[in-house]
Parts: sequence; structure tokens; C-alpha cells
Amino acid sequence: KQEVTQIPAALSVPEGENLVLNCSFTDSAIYNLQWFRQDPGKGLTSLLLIQSSQREQTSGRLNASLDKSSGRSTLYIAASQPGDSATYLCAASQTGANNLFFGTGTRLTVIP
Amino acid sequence: NAGVTQTPKFQVLKTGQSMTLQCAQDMNHEYMSWYRQDPGMGLRLIHYSVGAGITDQGEVPNGYNVSRSTTEDFPLRLLSAAPSQTSVYFCASSSWTSGGRGTQYFGPGTRLLVL
Repeated sequence: KQEVTQIPAALSVPEGENLVLNCSFTDSAIYNLQWFRQDPGKGLTSLLLIQSSQREQTSGRLNASLDKSSGRSTLYIAASQPGDSATYLCAASQTGANNLFFGTGTRLTVIP
Repeated sequence: NAGVTQTPKFQVLKTGQSMTLQCAQDMNHEYMSWYRQDPGMGLRLIHYSVGAGITDQGEVPNGYNVSRSTTEDFPLRLLSAAPSQTSVYFCASSSWTSGGRGTQYFGPGTRLLVL
């Protein structure tokens, strides 16, 4: 069974800092990896999706990388802003299905 | 374009009661799924469907039932509610084509409290 781990569980940074969130997975036979943002009491908003054949994806200040061989993905946030404060979840989907295996998330706080 | 909608937003049940959580999407997605989110455990898959008339079990299916009679709707039924089913429930949908499995879109969630 795929196990997805996110470290750290919580992170606090001053505004303007660049930061990296980490995600690791145990089974490299993934179809894609998706990063989500979740605000308190809300649903999940998709940020980036990386197909297994890709190495990275970028959207604005966000850049996600994928290294299947080492079972790792990172989400890089440039020039962090207080509005980036949220919980960030990564999820891996297995080949043959679109079912997602989620990590428990990193709660990010950006201090003004 | 409403995306994925879920009703109700919040529900309180007594142990043993049954109810149906509604989920609908207007993106003509083939794939739909239900997850539950519990503190410290991340989201876990309950049931999923790859098209009308096709459903399958996920990681934690016990106590839940689903059906998919249309592409748009994927209701989740709690047969006899238990306190262990207190959770936040999310419905998701995505495209499912030979070209790839796309981004999953989530609904706003249903908070369920079973007393």
C-alpha cells in the first residue's frame, strides 16, 4: 500500500521568504502526483499536477518537482505572502487508477 | 460552471440513523470518488466510480454504500451511522480518458457528527 509522508507537519516563516515543502512516497509506481491547498474548514484546491513522465511543473510563484526514483516531491513557494497561509497536501495516484493516497499535510503560517 | 457540489454542508445524526450525502459535478467527468478526512490521518478513499453503473471500494468502505446512475451524481449512503463515522467527507471528480488521468477537483465537504 502506498504511504505518503509530509515533513514538517507545521512551518512558520516570515513574509517574503522562499520555502520548500517536502513529500515522500513509498511506491514509485505512481501515475501522477498532485499538490493541494486547504484553508481551514474548506475543501481542497488543486495547485499543481505532475505526471509521472514529468520532472516539474510551475504556476506563478509555485514550482513542484518530482523524483520517482527517490520517491520524493517538493513544492517550492517563492516570496511567500500571508495569503499563502494554509495546509498543503500532496497526493499520489497509482498506475491503473486515479485513486489518491494523501499525506497528512504541512500547515504553513506566513508571518507579516 | 459550479464544479463539484456537496449537500448538506453539516449534519448531525444519532447512532443507527441512515442518511445520504449528495455529490454532483457539471464537468462531465467520468471519475468520481468519496474521501473522508480525519485529524492526523489524511484523506482516505471510501468508494470510487469510473463511470455510470461502475463502482468499486476504496481503502475504508465498510458502513458506506454508493451507486452511480448518472455521470453527474455520486451519492454516498451511510447505512447505520456510528460515532466512528464522525468526519469530514469530500467528493472529488476528474476526467478519465485514454490520454491520461487529470486533475482531481474537490467539493467543499460535508461535516458529519454522529452522536
